[in-house]
Amino acid sequence: GENVEQHPSTLSVQEGDSAVIKCTYSDSASNYFPWYKQELGKRPQLIIDIRSNVGEKKDQRIAVTLNKTAKHFSLHITETQPEDSAVYFCAASRTSMTTDSWGKLQFGAGTQVVVTP
Amino acid sequence: DVKVTQSSRYLVKRTGEKVFLECVQDMDHENMFWYRQDPGLGLRLIYFSYDVKMKEKGDIPEGYSVSREKKERFSLILESASTNQTSMYLCASSERTRNYEQYFGPGTRLTVT
Repeated sequence: GENVEQHPSTLSVQEGDSAVIKCTYSDSASNYFPWYKQELGKRPQLIIDIRSNVGEKKDQRIAVTLNKTAKHFSLHITETQPEDSAVYFCAASRTSMTTDSWGKLQFGAGTQVVVTP
Repeated sequence: DVKVTQSSRYLVKRTGEKVFLECVQDMDHENMFWYRQDPGLGLRLIYFSYDVKMKEKGDIPEGYSVSREKKERFSLILESASTNQTSMYLCASSERTRNYEQYFGPGTRLTVT
């Protein structure tokens, strides 16, 4: 089955700096890669996702890049702010529009991001 | 607005007790999931269900069972709770095709003593 590895496990950045979290996956058939953010005491929420037919996707200060050949994808947060402090999870899934898909995600272990003022 | 609710935020049970955790979603989602969250281990899938009465084992099903009698409700059952099942349990739901975003419940912090 799919295995997703996520690094680093903790990341401390100064406010205004950039943060990068990297994930690798093992199943070359995986084609959907979401990122979830979990603030302290709250539930995980989707912040951005990318499908395998796209190499990069941006949404304001966050961006995700995908390298299918190397089987890795990354989350980039620019101009970090204190509200970016949270645990971030990457995930991978094999989905298909031509067959039934269960939407099952394999999550990484998470990265604790701390933004210091 | 999608709502996923869980029956309890905090639960304390004794070793050997049977424990029921309930999850309800109001978005008519086909998929429902139960995860266990432990520090440093991320979100590990226990069971998921893609339709009423259907279930599939996830990565760590041992010691757990599930029930889905109605589309909106997915129950996680610990037949005989053990101390190593002390954890945060998260339920989620999603559509089955097209939009795979999973919507999570608030979680149940279970302590087994």
